[in-house]
Amino acid sequence: EDKVVQSPLSLVVHEGDTVTLNCSYEVTNFRSLLWYKQEKKAPTFLFMLTSSGIEKKSGRLSSILDKKELFSILNITATQTGDSAVYLCAVGNNNDMRFGAGTRLTVKP
Amino acid sequence: DAGVIQSPRHEVTEMGQEVTLRCKPISGHNSLFWYRQTMMRGLELLIYFNNNVPIDDSGMPEDRFSAKMPNASFSTLKIQPSEPRDSAVYFCASSLQGLGNQPQHFGDGTRLSIL
Repeated sequence: EDKVVQSPLSLVVHEGDTVTLNCSYEVTNFRSLLWYKQEKKAPTFLFMLTSSGIEKKSGRLSSILDKKELFSILNITATQTGDSAVYLCAVGNNNDMRFGAGTRLTVKP
Repeated sequence: DAGVIQSPRHEVTEMGQEVTLRCKPISGHNSLFWYRQTMMRGLELLIYFNNNVPIDDSGMPEDRFSAKMPNASFSTLKIQPSEPRDSAVYFCASSLQGLGNQPQHFGDGTRLSIL
């Protein structure tokens, strides 16, 4: 059965720390892997990855995909309290978009 | 630039009642998705439409759930009759193309409570 596993489930850091969030997957007919940030309401899109080894970057956030080892990481450098959220990983194929359980990140001042 | 619009934002009703959730996708998006989010099961895809046509409803939990997309700018998710275990946040999302091709943009969700 297809699955997406995120780790850790929760993480508490202090402002300025760097964090790495992990997403591993087993999905047939893989098309893309997406990262979302969810605060109180809707998940908001961060990155979409389709090719291995190509880093996507947006400010302090970056992500990369390894299609051979079936995982992705999301890095956040110099964390801020506004980064506190649940980070969701999702993997899509032709028929489904399967989400992981998420990593709850708490950044303390 | 309007995002995905869902209504109502909150719905509280008694079990057995019919519930209708509404969604207006982003203009120009060809694909629309309905998700359910609970603490126990996380985000689950219920059904999705391409060009107003339902493509895969295998995620719909039971026959009590139905979804329609009569035109490119409107979709409904209906539960009849509702049960307490249907309580969840229901999200609608849209994208330019189908699953896995483009990022999905989510509405703010409808928080449904069935008493």
